[in-house]
Amino acid sequence: DVKVTQSSRYLVKRTGEKVFLECVQDMDHENMFWYRQDPGLGLRLIYFSYDVKMKEKGDIPEGYSVSREKKERFSLILESASTNQTSMYLCASSLRGDNTDTQYFGPGTRLTVL
Amino acid sequence: LAKTTQPISMDSYEGQEVNITCSHNNIATNDYITWYQQFPSQGPRFIIQGYKTKVTNEVASLFIPADRKSSTLSLPRVSLSDTAVYYCLVGDLFSGGYNKLIFGAGTRLAVHP
Repeated sequence: DVKVTQSSRYLVKRTGEKVFLECVQDMDHENMFWYRQDPGLGLRLIYFSYDVKMKEKGDIPEGYSVSREKKERFSLILESASTNQTSMYLCASSLRGDNTDTQYFGPGTRLTVL
Repeated sequence: LAKTTQPISMDSYEGQEVNITCSHNNIATNDYITWYQQFPSQGPRFIIQGYKTKVTNEVASLFIPADRKSSTLSLPRVSLSDTAVYYCLVGDLFSGGYNKLIFGAGTRLAVHP
């Protein structure tokens, strides 16, 4: 089974802090994703990466950056956390880039910014 | 961009069959239909995927009519553990990219004893 792990289940930070969310997958997947999930809005794609050191903006990249130095690890960075970034953050990975690709999700990190 | 519409919520009882229909009127020729399931405090999990007609696996069946403008996820004999949010996604990742694959609000299924 594919395993996607996220560094924390719960995180509390203060406004203005720099926040790192880490994600690791163990199945040698090419693609990795960061989403945020808010009530009533579903999941929204922040960034994704299709290879090491490669990244693409999703729907809502503002206020976020990402890093993929190794194939198995994809980090989401909040340069200066704000209260409107309080949310559930979900990492995912997928193997293929064709139109039957399916994503494997981690358990999520619930981030609260005070 | 294939927009999907599905009911916000559904209720059922243990042992019943549940059918969740997703409408996607402007589905494109190369689009696939994929369903995910999300339990509370977990990330979504892939359930089933199809292009046309019927697909069945150990978890669910997916029915897609000839015009592909809708699809129905069928869960046989649900149990309490099937209480979750179900997402219908339509897209062609190869040409449309991941930005075009939208997880909407999903359908919140509540199974009662």
